[in-house]
Order: sequence, then structure tokens, then C-alpha cells
Amino acid sequence: NAGVTQTPKFQVLKTGQSMTLQCAQDMNHNSMYWYRQDPGMGLRLIYYSASEGTTDKGEVPNGYNVSRLNKREFSLRLESAAPSQTSVYFCASSLDRADTEAFFGQGTRLTVV
Amino acid sequence: AQSVSQHNHHVILSEAASLELGCNYSYGGTVNLFWYVQYPGQHLQLLLKYFSGDPLVKGIKGFEAEFIKSKFSFNLRKPSVQWSDTAEYFCAFKNTGGFKTIFGAGTRLFVKA
Repeated sequence: NAGVTQTPKFQVLKTGQSMTLQCAQDMNHNSMYWYRQDPGMGLRLIYYSASEGTTDKGEVPNGYNVSRLNKREFSLRLESAAPSQTSVYFCASSLDRADTEAFFGQGTRLTVV
Repeated sequence: AQSVSQHNHHVILSEAASLELGCNYSYGGTVNLFWYVQYPGQHLQLLLKYFSGDPLVKGIKGFEAEFIKSKFSFNLRKPSVQWSDTAEYFCAFKNTGGFKTIFGAGTRLFVKA
């Protein structure tokens, strides 16, 4: 049982380049999330998807787009990368109930130079 | 605004010392509370959670947390830490009407052998 799988694990981009972070879960969860983790700031929600076909902005959506391709997959796209987007990105999924925890992927360490 | 405040950003302890990490949340309604742990180089995983019943909850590896509603607090405790507890700890909550998880900034714990 793989849980939540993210790719790639590491990426270096030049300013202005674009890329897509992929995420897939095999737990039949309705809800999926993208967070970024920065030192001293914890995890901040970028976008989330409550169910297949819906997406909503989180705390820090600027500079990102997302696609909920199907129930399993939720991708995050940086159209024009900026150094401020250097971070560790985590995908997560959960059942759409308030008493259930989120399950996280291994993370993607992105550096924008 | 919904938020989580973790009192300490960095904690250094010697093995066998007792641990208490403070967490306060800001939300007027009913919440479900979580502590997640992130070991070096790994993804976040659930340590324990509270959603109803006994306000003292026990999690994995000897950790426990107490929900004090009047203080909006959910402090994490462990009577005797081990070197392997070196990690970053995140307090989080979901309100009962939603499914977004709000995280604190995290506390980095370093346990000296």
C-alpha cells in the first residue's frame, strides 16, 4: 500500500521556468491538499480539492495552479518559478471528515535559482 | 482568523528528561486536534489526535496530549524522551464543519544522547 506518492523528490529550476509536481493517492480519499513547508512557518496550504472536479485556494495560492485529474491524482503547477517558491512541497490526502487525519507524501524539495 | 500557536520553536533536552510542548488554537467552535511528527528527512505522520471523549489522549511512542477546552490548548507531553524523538512536531486542528487542516509553525526538538 503506497499511500501518497509524490514526484519528483528533488528539483532545481531557473527563474521563469515551469514545472508540475505530481501527486497520487491510493486510499480512495476524497480530499487532497498541497502544502509548502518553510522554516519557522510550518505548513501553509496552497490549494486543496474537496472532491474530484473541485479545487479551492488556500492561504498562499499566488503563483500556483492545480488540477484534480481524477480521484487519485492532484497536481501542482508552477507556471513561472520565482526564488520565493523555493520550499519543500507536500501533498496530502484525507477522508472528508473532520475527525480524520491527513496522510502525507514524502515531499518535493524545490530550489529556484 | 483560525490559527495555531506553538510556544517554542526549538527545544533541546537530554535523554530521560520530560517533555512538554505547548499548543494553543484560535477558533470559537468545536475542533478536532492533532499532533504530527516529522523525523529528519521524512514526511509528516500522525502522532495522536483528539476528537471527543477523554481529553487526555495517548499516541504512539509514549506520547500523550491533553485538551483543555477553557484554555484552547492541546499540549503534548512525554515523561522521558529518547534520542530517537529528535524531530519536528506540529500541532494542528480541523473545525468540525470543514476538512482543511490548520498547522502551527512547528517545534524542533533535539534530544542529546
